[in-house]
Amino acid sequence: EAGVAQSPRYKIIEKRQSVAFWCNPISGHATLYWYQQILGQGPKLLIQFQNNGVVDDSQLPKDRFSAERLKGVDSTLKIQPAKLEDSAVYLCASSSETYGYTFGSGTRLTVV
Amino acid sequence: SQQGEEDPQALSIQEGENATMNCSYKTSINNLQWYRQNSGRGLVHLILIRSNEREKHSGRLRVTLDTSKKSSSLLITASRAADTASYFCATDPTGNQFYFGTGTSLTVIP
Repeated sequence: EAGVAQSPRYKIIEKRQSVAFWCNPISGHATLYWYQQILGQGPKLLIQFQNNGVVDDSQLPKDRFSAERLKGVDSTLKIQPAKLEDSAVYLCASSSETYGYTFGSGTRLTVV
Repeated sequence: SQQGEEDPQALSIQEGENATMNCSYKTSINNLQWYRQNSGRGLVHLILIRSNEREKHSGRLRVTLDTSKKSSSLLITASRAADTASYFCATDPTGNQFYFGTGTSLTVIP
């Protein structure tokens, strides 16, 4: 089966600009996750979707971050406006009831 | 915190040796997973072990779980240079979410 697709792979923006990331999960996977991984740290869950509904967004900085999952399939994560501390790799993962997660390759964001 | 904490933070071994890394956590869990992450790449799932299991094997990987001590270990036998990566444990306290630790950076020297 195809993996989790993410784009872009890399993005460099200036602080206070906006940026959006896209994720296409594995077909049929109802659950989709966005993680933020700062250099040298483990991934931190930002938001979890079940189909097109939000299950948990308690760690999403809602003043600047937003996410949606269109028709329970693709998802976008947006940051507006970006801060220097948002520099990180943003990982998307999807899962089914069977077994673990499948992660995408991530988007590496650099805010300058 | 529901995060696992890996130990050691960094490990360097010679090719052919075994590598052991440990994970401790604070809350009760349903499952625990181990992942590998090569530099600049996404996470690759290695093994999932359920709370009622004590040991699982997959190829050169052996995972143990001691729920009484809230700890898990990952053993990689006969290590190869290609095993060089960061290894993370991820704990699942609720049944549908995983929380990652800070990882162990493994370097296998050819």
